[in-house]
Amino acid sequence: SQTIHQWPATLVQPVGSPLSLECTVEGTSNPNLYWYRQAAGRGLQLLFYSVGIGQISSEVPQNLSASRPQDRQFILSSKKLLLSDSGFYLCAWSFPGAGNTEAFFGQGTRLTVV
Amino acid sequence: GQNIDQPTEMTATEGAIVQINCTYQTSGFNGLFWYQQHAGEAPTFLSYNVLDGLEEKGRFSSFLSRSKGYSYLLLKELQMKDSASYLCAVGIRRKNRDDKIIFGKGTRLHILP
Repeated sequence: SQTIHQWPATLVQPVGSPLSLECTVEGTSNPNLYWYRQAAGRGLQLLFYSVGIGQISSEVPQNLSASRPQDRQFILSSKKLLLSDSGFYLCAWSFPGAGNTEAFFGQGTRLTVV
Repeated sequence: GQNIDQPTEMTATEGAIVQINCTYQTSGFNGLFWYQQHAGEAPTFLSYNVLDGLEEKGRFSSFLSRSKGYSYLLLKELQMKDSASYLCAVGIRRKNRDDKIIFGKGTRLHILP
């Protein structure tokens, strides 16, 4: 069976500090991978998605970047955090190819920038 | 562009039926999903529709009309544990393997005893 791991669960970081959130998937190959952000009381905003190693698509201009150094590893980064980067970050995966399978979510990282 | 609309909040009574509507305008439509999200938790998958019509799964049903860009989630025999946000999401496929899933802002459902 497939599992997704996302860490850390909670993070408090000062403004201007760097960020690295990691997500790994087990039990499947070549998954589609996603990073979403959810502001308090809001829906999920798609930040990045990837259909393969080194292939990253960005949905919105922002202070963040994503990388996929290995098939089942997806990393969200920032060089200098802003207050507006606070939120609930969710990594997700789906089966490759068709785009018609559901996304399976990690448990999320609650980031507070202070 | 891509746009998904659903009501911000709804209130219903325990034991009743509630319908949560979702309208969308997207290109490369490749299916519609409904997720449930409890406060502070990750979303969990409820249903998927790619063809027109009704899909029933226990107390939950989901309907899709592709020509109208419209879906609804129907919850029957409401229970207090159904208090949550319900997210409508659309699968997008624009070219070979350029797949993504985008979400609406969610409908917060309050269940009253």
